Amino acid sequence: EAQVTQNPRYLITVTGKKLTVTCSQNMNHEYMSWYRQDPGLGLRQIYYSMNVEVTDKGDVPEGYKVSRKEKRNFPLILESPSPNQTSLYFCATKPRTPHYGYTFGSGTRLTVV
Amino acid sequence: GQQLNQSPQSMFIQEGEDVSMNCTSSSIFNTWLWYKQDPGEGPVLLIALYKAGELTSNGRLTAQFGITRKDSFLNISASIPSDVGIYFCAGDRDNYGQNFVFGPGTRLSVLP
Repeated sequence: EAQVTQNPRYLITVTGKKLTVTCSQNMNHEYMSWYRQDPGLGLRQIYYSMNVEVTDKGDVPEGYKVSRKEKRNFPLILESPSPNQTSLYFCATKPRTPHYGYTFGSGTRLTVV
Repeated sequence: GQQLNQSPQSMFIQEGEDVSMNCTSSSIFNTWLWYKQDPGEGPVLLIALYKAGELTSNGRLTAQFGITRKDSFLNISASIPSDVGIYFCAGDRDNYGQNFVFGPGTRLSVLP
């Protein structure tokens, strides 16, 4: 079954404690993105990657890092989380072919206290 | 950056009614997509539009790509309770199909 798998689904952490949210896909898609969803603001892109070792900033990259060492994985790293990073995070993937939309994971709800 | 506006922000309708929502932008897009998000889940693609003026249907859903390429609408006919959710429009920001910008969403509630 085609899947985008995020872990964990829920996470509560304290300010400043480094964390990683993992994302893995089994569809051999070239493109992967991270979005955050906040009430009234919709989905905002944090970072995206067009292929292995190719990443670029989205609209709200501050406070986040990503890496793309393998095609299937695209982890999101928060080196020093702050309360304003409390949000619902989605990983999404798509093939290189232009006429396809993104397939989203089920989300990770992060709370930073 | 490019922004998408969606209206209405939220709507309450009776089961069986038709629904219409739209999405506008100050920028031109070459691709428009409509997603639905159920509570606790990630958005799921409903309809994708690739050509100005294109009208596409998917069951009870119909979407159109505006002639100006700056807007799109989504219609849902004969609404049912499982239509409840948040509907997002998205535009392909750089025309290569990898970088989408999303609207803020329309929250739909269906009353029995």
